Amino acid sequence: DGGITQSPKYLFRKEGQNVTLSCEQNLNHDAMYWYRQDPGQGLRLIYYSQIVNDFQKGDIAEGYSVSREKKESFPLTVTSAQKNPTAFYLCASSVRGNLWREQFFGPGTRLTVL
Amino acid sequence: AQSVTQLDSHVSVSEGTPVLLRCNYSSSYSPSLFWYVQHPNKGLQLLLKYTSAATLVKGINGFEAEFKKSETSFHLTKPSAHMSDAAEYFCVVRGGGADGLTFGKGTHLIIQP
Repeated sequence: DGGITQSPKYLFRKEGQNVTLSCEQNLNHDAMYWYRQDPGQGLRLIYYSQIVNDFQKGDIAEGYSVSREKKESFPLTVTSAQKNPTAFYLCASSVRGNLWREQFFGPGTRLTVL
Repeated sequence: AQSVTQLDSHVSVSEGTPVLLRCNYSSSYSPSLFWYVQHPNKGLQLLLKYTSAATLVKGINGFEAEFKKSETSFHLTKPSAHMSDAAEYFCVVRGGGADGLTFGKGTHLIIQP
């Protein structure tokens, strides 16, 4: 089955530690995105990538980093510089010609900083 | 610039009665508009989209939405609610240019038995 997988589903981190969230897709999509969701809020864009080896900052990129070495993978690192990292993180992808349209979402990773 | 306002944070209806989730938007361009649904601790699923074709858009699971430019609205409706419709619903606008997507804060739909 085609889709997007995110792992782990739940992640706990101590303050001061970096942590990497995995996102993999087998939809053959060129574009991939990372969003952050906080309670009672809509999604906010962290980073996006239109093609391998290229990515752009979104609205709230500070304290996060990404890489796009393979078309199917777009891992997100939450660094110790992110002041309030506890949130639900969602990865999405789309066909490049439909950038920002028809985004397919993964099931999410819930990160809790202890 | 673009923005989206979901007018109700919570909506409660009885099973079998109509659903109305309200969304207003603003955009400097001709917008694309979307409704997504999110069940608890899950990712988002696209319900329907408007991209400058027909103003009445039909989506999955019996939902539909009407684009009204004069009212800058894109309200989501369903004639008869089902228990499985209980979820969070997000209205999303894409204005164009260098703008990405702007998400509303969501409407929590509660279905009473």
